[in-house]
Amino acid sequence: KAGVTQTPRYLIKTRGQQVTLSCSPISGHRSVSWYQQTPGQGLQFLFEYFSETQRNKGNFPGRFSGRQFSNSRSEMNVSTLELGDSALYLCASSLGAQLYNEQFFGPGTRLTVL
Amino acid sequence: GNSVTQMEGPVTLSEEAFLTINCTYTATGYPSLFWYVQYPGEGLQLLLKATKADDKGSNKGFEATYRKETTSFHLEKGSVQVSDSAVYFCALIIQGAQKLVFGQGTRLTINP
Repeated sequence: KAGVTQTPRYLIKTRGQQVTLSCSPISGHRSVSWYQQTPGQGLQFLFEYFSETQRNKGNFPGRFSGRQFSNSRSEMNVSTLELGDSALYLCASSLGAQLYNEQFFGPGTRLTVL
Repeated sequence: GNSVTQMEGPVTLSEEAFLTINCTYTATGYPSLFWYVQYPGEGLQLLLKATKADDKGSNKGFEATYRKETTSFHLEKGSVQVSDSAVYFCALIIQGAQKLVFGQGTRLTINP
């Protein structure tokens, strides 16, 4: 079974631009979560989608948004990029329907904001 | 709130040494506990997990026991290898939630 895939793997943008990252979950998984990883803040939860609905949200500004499609693929968007948005963005998928589900991570998209 | 605290790194050991990475947690509910590993340039891989008190998770020679009385989940391995060099993250998830809460990570380097 194929794992979680993320595209693109690397991105370079300039301040003020916007960016869209994509995540394809493991087949059959309906929950997709996004995390931001930075050297200073570590791993922080952004949001989680299940069956096209945002179920959980972390403490990030409204510039960070996401969505999920009917095939469970998810995208996250960051508008008006700031230097501090440079990070590794990780996507994780899980079955999502039970109280606890193991999360499987993709390789990440490394975003650099210049 | 919910939080995870790991021992500070980096940790450097010689091959075949004994490894302990400490992890303690604070949780409002009844958490499940995890250790994830991140190799250079890669995402996170689940190393082991425990879902209730006194459970022992184990994988690839690594072990951790869920200690509710001390709110701890320390990672141990009896004999480390160079290939174990990576960053290790302790994490928790509260039952009913889909949000992992991570510790700050511990960078482990094993020298031959």
